[in-house]
Amino acid sequence: AQSVTQPDIHITVSEGASLELRCNYSYGATPYLFWYVQSPGQGLQLLLKYFSGDTLVQGIKGFEAEFKRSQSSFNLRKPSVHWSDAAEYFCAVGAIPVRWGKLQFGAGTQVVVTP
Amino acid sequence: EPEVTQTPSHQVTQMGQEVILRCVPISNHLYFYWYRQILGQKVEFLVSFYNNEISEKSEIFDDQFSVERPDGSNFTLKIRSTKLEDSAMYFCASSEARTGTYEQYFGPGTRLTVT
Repeated sequence: AQSVTQPDIHITVSEGASLELRCNYSYGATPYLFWYVQSPGQGLQLLLKYFSGDTLVQGIKGFEAEFKRSQSSFNLRKPSVHWSDAAEYFCAVGAIPVRWGKLQFGAGTQVVVTP
Repeated sequence: EPEVTQTPSHQVTQMGQEVILRCVPISNHLYFYWYRQILGQKVEFLVSFYNNEISEKSEIFDDQFSVERPDGSNFTLKIRSTKLEDSAMYFCASSEARTGTYEQYFGPGTRLTVT
């Protein structure tokens, strides 16, 4: 069965510092991988996705993520965090083929940005 | 930019009552989904819908739940007789799901409170 693990429930980072959020997945085939962000009172916004090809993917808001098949990981990074990046971040995995599109989400990582 | 909309943003209902949560997916999308997030827990898949029928449903989606696309724009989730444990944020999502790639766009959610 597919699963997604986000080991860090809560991360505090200073504004301007770098950020890395971890995501590990378990899936029998090549997965589709996603990172979503949820700001307070908001829905889930897609930051980036990986389907195939280049293992380093760029997303919106200056985020990037690297797919490492050998480590079953898809970690999210940002070189310099802004106060507006305070939110909850979810890693998700989807099946290939994507006929029905069910996404399995991790538990989320809450990011707090301090001045 | 097109977006998924959901109404109402917050619904309070008494146990045993029926509720209908409404969603307007992005207009050219073909696949529709409902997810829910109980406070403090993961986002969980409920159901996917394509070509006017359910494609896949989770164990959560029992006989108390139903979905419908009553017209060309709306997509609804009905809970026939609400229970306290149905209290959660319910997210609608849609995707175009063209061959090879897809991504799900989420609405802002409806917070359902069952008292």
